[in-house]
Amino acid sequence: AQTVTQSQPEMSVQEAETVTLSCTYDTSESDYYLFWYKQPPSRQMILVIRQEAYKQQNATENRFSVNFQKAAKSFSLKISDSQLGDAAMYFCAYRSPLDTPLVFGKGTRLSVIA
Amino acid sequence: NAGVTQTPKFRILKIGQSMTLQCTQDMNHNYMYWYRQDPGMGLKLIYYSVGAGITDKGEVPNGYNVSRSTTEDFPLRLELAAPSQTSVYFCASTPDVSYEQYFGPGTRLTVT
Repeated sequence: AQTVTQSQPEMSVQEAETVTLSCTYDTSESDYYLFWYKQPPSRQMILVIRQEAYKQQNATENRFSVNFQKAAKSFSLKISDSQLGDAAMYFCAYRSPLDTPLVFGKGTRLSVIA
Repeated sequence: NAGVTQTPKFRILKIGQSMTLQCTQDMNHNYMYWYRQDPGMGLKLIYYSVGAGITDKGEVPNGYNVSRSTTEDFPLRLELAAPSQTSVYFCASTPDVSYEQYFGPGTRLTVT
């Protein structure tokens, strides 16, 4: 079974600085999908970014980008120019192409310091 | 579109009581899911459905039941509630395996 590991339970960053959240996963599949979700205090799960494993190019969405290292099974999220609204729990998630449910990591709580 | 809606938002149950958590989506998505989120943890899959009339167990199905009689609705039934079922429950849907999942706002359930 696939597993997702987020080794940083908590992180903090100064406003306007850059922070990187780590995620590793374990799979024997060659094709799959990876996601980062943000969960603010409202509890709503919000998609931040997605990556298809067959694409070599790292996904980017405005201030959010990923460093996808397929051989190392690593999928880190970089947040540039951090804003107070970025404070939230961030979850890394994996989806197999053969199955539809997501497998989540335990999350990283990000604090943004003004 | 309202997206994925869940009711109720909060509920307190006594041990042994039963209840149904409602989930509705208006996006005509075939795939629907129920997850639970315990404090300090990620989401764990309870049950899922790939279409009306088809359901399957996830990682933590014990103590729960589901049905999927229509594309729009995917209710989660708790029978004989136990304190271990205290959690936040999320419903989600997606149109296809390659797409993101769209989440409802969650239901916070406390069993005492």
